[in-house]
Amino acid sequence: EDQVTQSPEALRLQEGESSSLNCSYTVSGLRGLFWYRQDPGKGPEFLFTLYSAGEEKEKERLKATLTKKESFLHITAPKPEDSATYLCAVVTSGTYKYIFGTGTRLKVLA
Amino acid sequence: NAGVMQNPRHLVRRRGQEARLRCSPMKGHSHVYWYRQLPEEGLKFMVYLQKENIIDESGMPKERFSAEFPKEGPSILRIQQVVRGDSAAYFCASRLQGGSTEAFFGQGTRLTVV
Repeated sequence: EDQVTQSPEALRLQEGESSSLNCSYTVSGLRGLFWYRQDPGKGPEFLFTLYSAGEEKEKERLKATLTKKESFLHITAPKPEDSATYLCAVVTSGTYKYIFGTGTRLKVLA
Repeated sequence: NAGVMQNPRHLVRRRGQEARLRCSPMKGHSHVYWYRQLPEEGLKFMVYLQKENIIDESGMPKERFSAEFPKEGPSILRIQQVVRGDSAAYFCASRLQGGSTEAFFGQGTRLTVV
């Protein structure tokens, strides 16, 4: 069964303290991996798409990387406004539905 | 370019009533998804539709739930005879035609069954 697991469930960082969030996946074939950010009471906001192992994408303080088994979302020198839940999703070969992990709740303290 | 629009944002229904949730996809998007989210839980797939077709409804309960995406107008998720357990946030997402393009989400409808 296709599965997406995110870790840690929750993470507290001091402002400026860099860290990484993990998304590991077990799928029959990967069509694409997606990162989203979700603020309380809001819908998920698209961040990145990764298609193949070795690919990297960057946006401001965020950088997403992909291997054959997992993806990392690296947060460099985070700010309090980066506090949110970060969601990872995969689309597998032969389907077009997005399978989500349960997310990592990130809290950045000033 | 407006994003995915969902309405209403909040919906309160008494047990046994019907709930109708609407989703207008982004301009040019012909694929729509519905997801359900309970507090502190992840997004659970319900149904995937293209215009006038249900492609995958494997995540949708067989009883009381239905979805449509007509040729004209918004996609509708309909829940008949609601029960307390239907209380959740329901999110719609849309994407362009083609392979693994990203899906864009609306702000959700928060359904409360009293």
